Amino acid sequence: DQQVKQNSPSLSVQEGRISILNCDYTNSMFDYFLWYKKYPAEGPTFLISISSIKDKNEDGRFTVFLNKSAKHLSLHIVPSQPGDSAVYFCAAVLLDSNYQLIWGAGTKLIIKP
Amino acid sequence: DAGITQSPRYKITETGRQVTLMCHQTWSHSYMFWYRQDLGHGLRLIYYSAAADITDKGEVPDGYVVSRSKTENFPLTLESATRSQTSVYFCASRRTGFSLPSDEQYFGPGTRLTVT
Repeated sequence: DQQVKQNSPSLSVQEGRISILNCDYTNSMFDYFLWYKKYPAEGPTFLISISSIKDKNEDGRFTVFLNKSAKHLSLHIVPSQPGDSAVYFCAAVLLDSNYQLIWGAGTKLIIKP
Repeated sequence: DAGITQSPRYKITETGRQVTLMCHQTWSHSYMFWYRQDLGHGLRLIYYSAAADITDKGEVPDGYVVSRSKTENFPLTLESATRSQTSVYFCASRRTGFSLPSDEQYFGPGTRLTVT
């Protein structure tokens, strides 16, 4: 049973508009959530994270929102740029689990010019 | 070169063969990880290591063996490869224990393994 779910395999967004990537989770005990970005033939790279005690974290064009009651988080990218085209992974961690990350399946974001 | 490297980048092997995937990092990070990525799944943790000579199982360890005699190297061995082990394998490292927001895992470029 997947504890972290990204239900949209792909998303297409016009350049300059907002991209919203969604992630749902089942375990209310997760302590942190992270977003990673992956280009083809490369390893994932860390993008942004949020603690479970917060509801928003912002870093430049990237904002992550956490809705604990709905067990849902989202990544907003504003404005979207061509270089944002990549696969985005949501991951969650329990601090008492030896720092193991539980990953979603990823969402492929395509930014159209 | 500085960073985290994996070799080979691509490997085709036959069922039943032993194959070793190499991972090397130049940062002297304490923690190292092996993941596999399959279509429709996120990354799944195979094994991890908190320091030299300390390893532990992750979510999907069966059929794999790891060792860590030196801090910078963390090889992953498939003792007798099976078709179900066809996957993309990623190695990662992290500086220390968990301390967000600065904590992050740095990933290698991946090894695409095909078992025929």
